[in-house]
Amino acid sequence: GENVEQHPSTLSVQEGDSAVIKCTYSDSASNYFPWYKQELGKRPQLIIDIRSNVGEKKDQRIAVTLNKTAKHFSLHITETQPEDSAVYFCAEKPLGGNQFYFGTGTSLTVIP
Amino acid sequence: NAGVTQTPKFQVLKTGQSMTLQCAQDMNHEYMSWYRQDPGMGLRLIHYSVGAGITDQGEVPNGYNVSRSTTEDFPLRLLSAAPSQTSVYFCASSYAGIGELFFGEGSRLTVL
Repeated sequence: GENVEQHPSTLSVQEGDSAVIKCTYSDSASNYFPWYKQELGKRPQLIIDIRSNVGEKKDQRIAVTLNKTAKHFSLHITETQPEDSAVYFCAEKPLGGNQFYFGTGTSLTVIP
Repeated sequence: NAGVTQTPKFQVLKTGQSMTLQCAQDMNHEYMSWYRQDPGMGLRLIHYSVGAGITDQGEVPNGYNVSRSTTEDFPLRLLSAAPSQTSVYFCASSYAGIGELFFGEGSRLTVL
């Protein structure tokens, strides 16, 4: 099956610093790359996504970049706040496919 | 508009017992899916459906059955529970499987 590798598995940053989470994928046909945030005991929720025809997308303090040649995409969170503490999952979906493949998650802790 | 509703939220089973996790969505989504979430392993796809009457296997289908008789409902059945099926289960739906996945609140299952 498809494989999505996500790094790091845990990340601690000081409040106000930036956080970067990276994912690599293997299927060159992948064309949709969402990021989900899961707070403790809650359901995963979409925070940002990008499609393969775009290299970068921003939404306030959150941005995602995509490098199709290298087959990796990254989540960038700037000016981190304690409420950003959560587990973040990357995912990818091949064009024409019906399965979403998730990374193993990154536990982000923002230290006040 | 309730979104994706899962029941029960918690369940304890003995090895060999059967049970059904219920999932319903009121967003008229064609695509529905079941994931299991285990520590350090992210979200793994069990089964999915692209419409009423159509189901297919995901990454980890063994020990689970599904059916899709209506657009709204997508139950997950464990015919003979095993301790390895102890996990948190999430149902998720999306519009035609081409965009955001909307997750239910999750069902925590313990098999003794």
